[in-house]
Amino acid sequence: NAGVTQTPKFQVLKTGQSMTLQCAQDMNHEYMSWYRQDPGMGLRLIHYSVGAGITDQGEVPNGYNVSRSTTEDFPLRLLSAAPSQTSVYFCASSYSSGDQNIQYFGAGTRLSVL
Amino acid sequence: EDQVTQSPEALRLQEGESSSLNCSYTVSGLRGLFWYRQDPGKGPEFLFTLYSAGEEKEKERLKATLTKKESFLHITAPKPEDSATYLCAWGATNKLIFGTGTLLAVQP
Repeated sequence: NAGVTQTPKFQVLKTGQSMTLQCAQDMNHEYMSWYRQDPGMGLRLIHYSVGAGITDQGEVPNGYNVSRSTTEDFPLRLLSAAPSQTSVYFCASSYSSGDQNIQYFGAGTRLSVL
Repeated sequence: EDQVTQSPEALRLQEGESSSLNCSYTVSGLRGLFWYRQDPGKGPEFLFTLYSAGEEKEKERLKATLTKKESFLHITAPKPEDSATYLCAWGATNKLIFGTGTLLAVQP
């Protein structure tokens, strides 16, 4: 199992450009989430999904879109990049079973918007 | 507003010097209190989930405890390889509110 795979690892964009951050998991988890991590802010939830075809907004959704057409993939789209979106982005997948609730995180995508 | 606060922000220990990290939470109902470890340049790695006041869980040199208002991560006789940022979070499995973390450095 590869776990949660995020691509690319690094990306530099110019203001106004669009791009898609890819996230794939091979653990057949129902739940997937996107977070951003900024210095002094901790991780903040952007969007999440409880299954294929179902997504919802988190704490900081503005400027980002998601879709979940398959269980495995949960891409995050930046429609028109802004410098405020410079951050490290983490994708996570999770399952819930009894008293076991575990999220697995990818290695992150480091994004700079100039 | 739901909030998770961690202290201290940074902690430096000598190898073998035990200590505790604190996570206090102000939330509307307890779903789960999560602890993660994060190494530089990597994603968070799951450590523990706690649900009920009085609950304790252990893994090697780490023990997590939970009260009604806070959680502690106790580190017993730490080693340099325990150096990392430790994150606390509250919420449901796929929807977490994180604290800002405690950066732990263990010197040999």
